[in-house]
Amino acid sequence: GQQVMQIPQYQHVQEGEDFTTYCNSSTTLSNIQWYKQRPGGHPVFLIQLVKSGEVKKQKRLTFQFGEAKKNSSLHITATQTTDVGTYFCAGPRGGSNYKLTFGKGTLLTVNP
Amino acid sequence: DAGVTQSPTHLIKTRGQQVTLRCSPKSGHDTVSWYQQALGQGPQFIFQYYEEEERQRGNFPDRFSGHQFPNYSSELNVNALLLGDSALYLCASSPRVGYGYTFGSGTRLTVV
Repeated sequence: GQQVMQIPQYQHVQEGEDFTTYCNSSTTLSNIQWYKQRPGGHPVFLIQLVKSGEVKKQKRLTFQFGEAKKNSSLHITATQTTDVGTYFCAGPRGGSNYKLTFGKGTLLTVNP
Repeated sequence: DAGVTQSPTHLIKTRGQQVTLRCSPKSGHDTVSWYQQALGQGPQFIFQYYEEEERQRGNFPDRFSGHQFPNYSSELNVNALLLGDSALYLCASSPRVGYGYTFGSGTRLTVV
């Protein structure tokens, strides 16, 4: 089964509100990636974090990698209807950089 | 620059049959990974191909097999189909290990 846990599973917000999803791993990750999947679509790569404590921003999206490299978060400021979709974190697992394991994702819905 | 191309987009098969799904990676990408995504779940890693060899495999039975060709394109074969094999099958390519994946639009397989 999947060993990268994401919370919450679902989040419904009013347009303009902030949104955060969290990703946790029981083991240290060499890197973590974030993807967005629109309803009926396919995952689209957003970003990769590699360094302990790393913070990266993409417009209204802020990504963080924990100091212990076991957790990560994605924060969206002032959500828009275009932010709707499922956000997945993914990290290499099982001692292999080749096996990218995805969490179950957080489904974000935005009420206009 | 074409992204990842998968065919067919949809497929309906009967239990016990065999199916072949195809993937052409993004130009410049030599690594191809296959994922199975059930409804409401994150993508589950099936296997990864590099230099025409299976480099890593997930927890899938031997009914799932694959191939990579010299032009980096890849096939996923599933034998003795079960109802539980119904899912979205995603192909992802990357230029090398440790880079974000580019996903195709997927093949929706329905087993009846």
